[in-house]
Amino acid sequence: AQKITQTQPGMFVQEKEAVTLDCTYDTSDQSYGLFWYKQPSSGEMIFLIYQGSYDEQNATEGRYSLNFQKARKSANLVISASQLGDSAMYFCAHRGAGSYQLTFGKGTKLSVIP
Amino acid sequence: DAGITQSPRYKITETGRQVTLMCHQTWSHSYMFWYRQDLGHGLRLIYYSAAADITDKGEVPDGYVVSRSKTENFPLTLESATRSQTSVYFCASREQGRTEAFFGQGTRLTVV
Repeated sequence: AQKITQTQPGMFVQEKEAVTLDCTYDTSDQSYGLFWYKQPSSGEMIFLIYQGSYDEQNATEGRYSLNFQKARKSANLVISASQLGDSAMYFCAHRGAGSYQLTFGKGTKLSVIP
Repeated sequence: DAGITQSPRYKITETGRQVTLMCHQTWSHSYMFWYRQDLGHGLRLIYYSAAADITDKGEVPDGYVVSRSKTENFPLTLESATRSQTSVYFCASREQGRTEAFFGQGTRLTVV
């Protein structure tokens, strides 16, 4: 079974600073994908970024990048130049190749301080 | 508007009652999912569907029933609601061959 661990229940970051949200995973799949979703206080789940296990480059999407270290089984989300609107819950998730199910971590609450 | 919509957004029901949560998507995505979100558990998969008339259980299916007679709709029914089913329910869809799933805005269900 897959397991996603997010060890930081809450984090604070100063506006305009970069922040790293940690995610480690345990999987028996040879091929898999890792995802990050953002959940603002309004409640919706917003897809941010995806990394395939065989992708050679770390994924980037605007201010979001995924620091993928396959040997360490970690997939940390890096947000550069934090903005007040980045304050939200962030969830890391895993899906095995050929599987339909996303397995989520318990989330990290990020608060951006002006 | 295109997208995935859930209804109702909020629902209070009594223990033992049947309640149906609706999910509608306009993209014609093949895959649809129901998740529940509880404090301390993140999101957990209840049921999923790979196509119309094809459904299967996820991690926490007990007490729930789904159907998918049309590609765009994926209702979730609690046959006899219990307090432990108080949760926020998310519907999601994904296009075949694509990686990311898109979520609805969620339904907050309270069972009293």
